Amino acid sequence: GIQVEQSPPDLILQEGANSTLRCNFSDSVNNLQWFHQNPWGQLINLFYIPSGTKQNGRLSATTVATERYSLLYISSSQTTDSGVYFCAVKRGGADGLTFGKGTHLIIQP
Amino acid sequence: AAGVIQSPRHLIKEKRETATLKCYPIPRHDTVYWYQQGPGQDPQFLISFYEKMQSDKGSIPDRFSAQQFSDYHSELNMSSLELGDSALYFCASIARAGGYTFGSGTRLTVV
Repeated sequence: GIQVEQSPPDLILQEGANSTLRCNFSDSVNNLQWFHQNPWGQLINLFYIPSGTKQNGRLSATTVATERYSLLYISSSQTTDSGVYFCAVKRGGADGLTFGKGTHLIIQP
Repeated sequence: AAGVIQSPRHLIKEKRETATLKCYPIPRHDTVYWYQQGPGQDPQFLISFYEKMQSDKGSIPDRFSAQQFSDYHSELNMSSLELGDSALYFCASIARAGGYTFGSGTRLTVV
């Protein structure tokens, strides 16, 4: 099956810092999403971004499908940004999303 | 906006008991997916339904079964529960194109 690698696995930052999370995938995909899992376990959809660039407030994402990677940018981090960030992809014809192992982000006040 | 509704939010069962989890997808979403997330793990795809028919299977144990009903809600039935079944169980729905929307999950604890 398709492989999804996320880096870094862990990241500790001070409030106000910027960060870049990376997702590499091993095959062509027709769906790529970034999720934030908060400390209560909820999976919040951040971006549906199989290609191109999108921005939503302090967050933005870029997927370069031809090079099989995606980046999630978080600017001016806040403590509420803490949690696990997952990248998940789906190939054409495959039904379920395949998740990466996630990046565990801790924002310290 | 309407979201994916899951019930119950929390469930505690003893070993060898059965459990039923429910999922109500976003209105007009015809496809439902079930995922299992163990402690410290990433979510793993279990099973999916499109128009009330099973469309794909992932790593779902034989002790588990699921179905989608005429109103598009889905139920995941789990029998002979084991300690290792303790996990967060998510349901997600999707329209024909676009991203998946996940419910808030059911936290199952088997004691």
